[in-house]
Amino acid sequence: DAKTTQPPSMDCAEGRAANLPCNHSTISGNEYVYWYRQIHSQGPQYIIHGLKNNETNEMASLIITEDRKSSTLILPHATLRDTAVYYCIVRVLRDSNYQLIWGAGTKLIIKP
Amino acid sequence: NAGVTQTPKFQVLKTGQSMTLQCAQDMNHEYMSWYRQDPGMGLRLIHYSVGAGITDQGEVPNGYNVSRSTTEDFPLRLLSAAPSQTSVYFCASSYSTSGSGEQYFGPGTRLTVT
Repeated sequence: DAKTTQPPSMDCAEGRAANLPCNHSTISGNEYVYWYRQIHSQGPQYIIHGLKNNETNEMASLIITEDRKSSTLILPHATLRDTAVYYCIVRVLRDSNYQLIWGAGTKLIIKP
Repeated sequence: NAGVTQTPKFQVLKTGQSMTLQCAQDMNHEYMSWYRQDPGMGLRLIHYSVGAGITDQGEVPNGYNVSRSTTEDFPLRLLSAAPSQTSVYFCASSYSTSGSGEQYFGPGTRLTVT
């Protein structure tokens, strides 16, 4: 039972910022939001994660709303190599260990 | 570092056959896990391990067994293959023993059960 909702697909022009939305309205106070991406059915690749503050690393920025019911992943200058399926994931605590609950993802296509 | 490796890359089984999917990592990670991915869907956790000798069930454990005798290896056994187990299987590892950190994924094994 996925805890996130994402648009099935999006387009973005090369060189522009790609903004990928995610709804997680049932998230609990101690559950983190993670983002992974999967290129051409390869193994998923970690991008970023956060709890309630905005986060930035060399790949992307993560903006989480104050009520934590939604977030946006931002790829600042998209390239053709960023074409992939992007998964917004909630990390839940079960049996004293954390598990990632994956949704169906957003297929992002970067166009030249 | 090879990272997380999986063998085989592709496998076709007949219903009722058994097989073992191999997974190994050279990063000295304590946490390892197995996921399956069905077409158009996200990953679902099958089994995980927080260290050698310790394994536990994830969301969809039925029909699969695991063991962890070393830190490096985490094989997944299909006891009696069924068409519903046709999927892509990913192994992952993490430096965090609770599974809270970044997970590194292998390239996957594409399994078809006829």
